[in-house]
Amino acid sequence: DSGVTQTPKHLITATGQRVTLRCSPRSGDLSVYWYQQSLDQGLQFLIQYYNGEERAKGNILERFSAQQFPDLHSELNLSSLELGDSALYFCASSVATGSKNIQYFGAGTRLSVL
Amino acid sequence: GQQLNQSPQSMFIQEGEDVSMNCTSSSIFNTWLWYKQDPGEGPVLLIALYKAGELTSNGRLTAQFGITRKDSFLNISASIPSDVGIYFCAGTSGTYKYIFGTGTRLKVLA
Repeated sequence: DSGVTQTPKHLITATGQRVTLRCSPRSGDLSVYWYQQSLDQGLQFLIQYYNGEERAKGNILERFSAQQFPDLHSELNLSSLELGDSALYFCASSVATGSKNIQYFGAGTRLSVL
Repeated sequence: GQQLNQSPQSMFIQEGEDVSMNCTSSSIFNTWLWYKQDPGEGPVLLIALYKAGELTSNGRLTAQFGITRKDSFLNISASIPSDVGIYFCAGTSGTYKYIFGTGTRLKVLA
């Protein structure tokens, strides 16, 4: 158990809908990262938050947004969903930011858009 | 998005055999990480490397930070069935942003 909690584990929805994925980081971790993993692909970095503020953006679509709350949990919002958004979405957390801060991953949310 | 080149993409090996995989980048990195992902689970950190030439072990796993700082290697000795999974490398040049490899899918035949 990495200590990073993601809910829900599975999500099935229809095209055009909006969903929210939730992540609770490990106790004491200030940084949260979101990744997308499509079938048989590697991990694509989406966005990072550090202590409530957006720190970096990767390949995140405009239809997607995220935030980190004062209690440090984070939510990833996906709107106007398309079939191609079906993927595993992972949250990771680290103590701080920078190359020596190891990211620990949650078990992921599997999103299926029908 | 940008990714590292990881090879082999997949491999079938007999239980007890040693396994080698590597990761190469077009950029110089100052940190390399190796993760293992089981089906339906998130990646789990195996080994972290911070210095060129560094060789680090974790049980039957040994990883090396390449001298050129553009590559890394992971070896698994005496493989067992539970070694099955996808192994990812990840590297960073010093920022928050890790670039992940495309993964090596390992299957162990008993």
